[in-house]
Amino acid sequence: DIQMTQSPSSLSASVGDRVTITCRASQSISQSSRRYLNWYQQKPGKAPSLLIYAASILLSGVPSRFSGGGSGTDFTLTISSLQPEDFATYYCQQSYTSPWTFGQGTNVEIK
Amino acid sequence: QLQLQESGPGLVKPSETLSLTCTVSGDSISSSRYYWGWIRQPPGKGPEWIGSIYYSGSTAYNPSLKSRVSISVDTSENQLSLKLSSVTATDTAVYYCARLATVQVPHFDYWGQGTLVTVSS
Repeated sequence: DIQMTQSPSSLSASVGDRVTITCRASQSISQSSRRYLNWYQQKPGKAPSLLIYAASILLSGVPSRFSGGGSGTDFTLTISSLQPEDFATYYCQQSYTSPWTFGQGTNVEIK
Repeated sequence: QLQLQESGPGLVKPSETLSLTCTVSGDSISSSRYYWGWIRQPPGKGPEWIGSIYYSGSTAYNPSLKSRVSISVDTSENQLSLKLSSVTATDTAVYYCARLATVQVPHFDYWGQGTLVTVSS
């Protein structure tokens, strides 16, 4: 199985801060210019919701302060200016090969 | 507006079979553009992909669960179902159904609200 490791596991930040979360895959999850990496946001008691797919494509309706990047084994999720509604847990997920696997999550808390 | 709603028992005894249904509204489960899937999340942990299905019945399962899991679709009811046999306490989790889009790369673009299933005697 491909292991997905996120860092940090948690972070404290203030409204307006720039935040970057890293996700590392145990093997390359890029092929033929496609990057098989998705990002989800989860708020307490709610289902995860898709933010970004294919490493950098924002789902329609997701604010532009969210951005994704990376390739191969290393990927990032960046929130350019943290807003109150962004405090949540974020998960990366690879869909390169079965079984599709998720990271352990990064909890973004209010400082 | 696409909606997915999971339903089923919230408590299952050890060694029995967990059975859940997901009712889809706002889209046809027979749409050729999408697959459908089940994901679970144990308390305090990250999500785990259980398996996915196409409306034709073609399935893919997580190898760690493959011997115990079965996913099916009922196109007439616009539902998908999950059965997980021989459950133990480690199968306690919130179970989600989700739509699986395949544009660019596979990704779960819509999720149900989830249903907590506890395995306990």
